[in-house]
Amino acid sequence: ETGVTQSPTHLIKTRGQQVTLRCSSQSGHNTVSWYQQALGQGPQFIFQYYREEENGRGNFPPRFSGLQFPNYSSELNVNALELDDSALYLCASSLDGGGTDTQYFGPGTRLTVL
Amino acid sequence: SQELEQSPQSLIVQEGKNLTINCTSSKTLYGLYWYKQKYGEGLIFLMMLQKGGEEKSHEKITAKLDEKKQQSSLHITASQPSHAGIYLCGAEKGNQFYFGTGTSLTVIP
Repeated sequence: ETGVTQSPTHLIKTRGQQVTLRCSSQSGHNTVSWYQQALGQGPQFIFQYYREEENGRGNFPPRFSGLQFPNYSSELNVNALELDDSALYLCASSLDGGGTDTQYFGPGTRLTVL
Repeated sequence: SQELEQSPQSLIVQEGKNLTINCTSSKTLYGLYWYKQKYGEGLIFLMMLQKGGEEKSHEKITAKLDEKKQQSSLHITASQPSHAGIYLCGAEKGNQFYFGTGTSLTVIP
């Protein structure tokens, strides 16, 4: 059984650019959630995808968008990057959307916006 | 605004000492999760509590959820350097999941 993986590990972009982050969910999991964690803060929920549909969204602007593929892997896209977007981006997969289902996290992608 | 308040914000203990981290919510919790995070890395699931008064243990870590389901504590017995990291409590609200601000634990050998 493979765990949650994310790519790339680190990324440097400049303000105004666009970025795509990728996440492969744990085997058998059909739900993926994305989080943004600024330095010294707890993770902030961005959105969740369940069976390829957005299933919940936190307080993030529309320039944060996502996709989930038939194999349940997922992408997080951020357009028009701002300096405040610099953070660790975490994805987590779980067995089923909603309910009190345990999430398993990937190692994260560290995004730096200059 | 943070819906889960953790205390203390940081903790430095001598190896072998016991410690407690608290997580408080202003609303009833219907599932409270504890995670551990090494600096700059992903989160590792520790335990999940659902029922009021529930208590779970894993190795030297015990977590409790109070009867009113608004406060949880995480207790580490005989701390070791391997326990160092950031401890986060988390809970669901609808289709969202939110975390506390975290407690940074340093264990001095």
